[in-house]
Amino acid sequence: AQSVTQLDSQVPVFEEAPVELRCNYSSSVSVYLFWYVQYPNQGLQLLLKYLSGSTLVKGINGFEAEFNKSQTSFHLRKPSVHISDTAEYFCAVSQYGNKLVFGAGTILRVKS
Amino acid sequence: DAGVIQSPRHEVTEMGQEVTLRCKPISGHDYLFWYRQTMMRGLELLIYFNNNVPIDDSGMPEDRFSAKMPNASFSTLKIQPSEPRDSAVYFCASREAGQGDHEQYFGPGTRLTVT
Repeated sequence: AQSVTQLDSQVPVFEEAPVELRCNYSSSVSVYLFWYVQYPNQGLQLLLKYLSGSTLVKGINGFEAEFNKSQTSFHLRKPSVHISDTAEYFCAVSQYGNKLVFGAGTILRVKS
Repeated sequence: DAGVIQSPRHEVTEMGQEVTLRCKPISGHDYLFWYRQTMMRGLELLIYFNNNVPIDDSGMPEDRFSAKMPNASFSTLKIQPSEPRDSAVYFCASREAGQGDHEQYFGPGTRLTVT
């Protein structure tokens, strides 16, 4: 079975500052890793995914994440955030791309 | 494409009533998923279908919950009888098999309130 731990429930940050949202996973087999974003009262939208290959993955809206197998981590980063990035971010893991197991979510609050 | 469509967007019902949530996946997608989001349990997968066949329903909480997919363009999640603890946002998602990108596309959700 897989599990995901998002280490921060909320992350406040000022506009134009860098941000890192942390995600650790547990699995006994190889997995796929995902970051989704949820804006208020909306569904989830995929930011980026790691399936294989390069451990640095670039996604939409200037986000990127790095897969670290030895530390079982998949942290999400953005060098300069905007007010519009305020949302909840979910890390998820899946063995075959179907049974997504989500973390508890991290609320990113961007302040002006 | 219109994306995944869910109806209704909001549902308020009384305990004991039957509730039916509906989902239209993206045309051509082979997989359909039902998720539930609550403050206490977060996002959890309830059931998923492949080519209209239920593959894994291990996340369905109780016999009061049932899901069907009569054809490739429609699925329902039914709760009978409903209870206040069923209050949650229910999401439907779909994805295409074979392309290898594994992205699931989510609908806007149905917010269910059981009083």
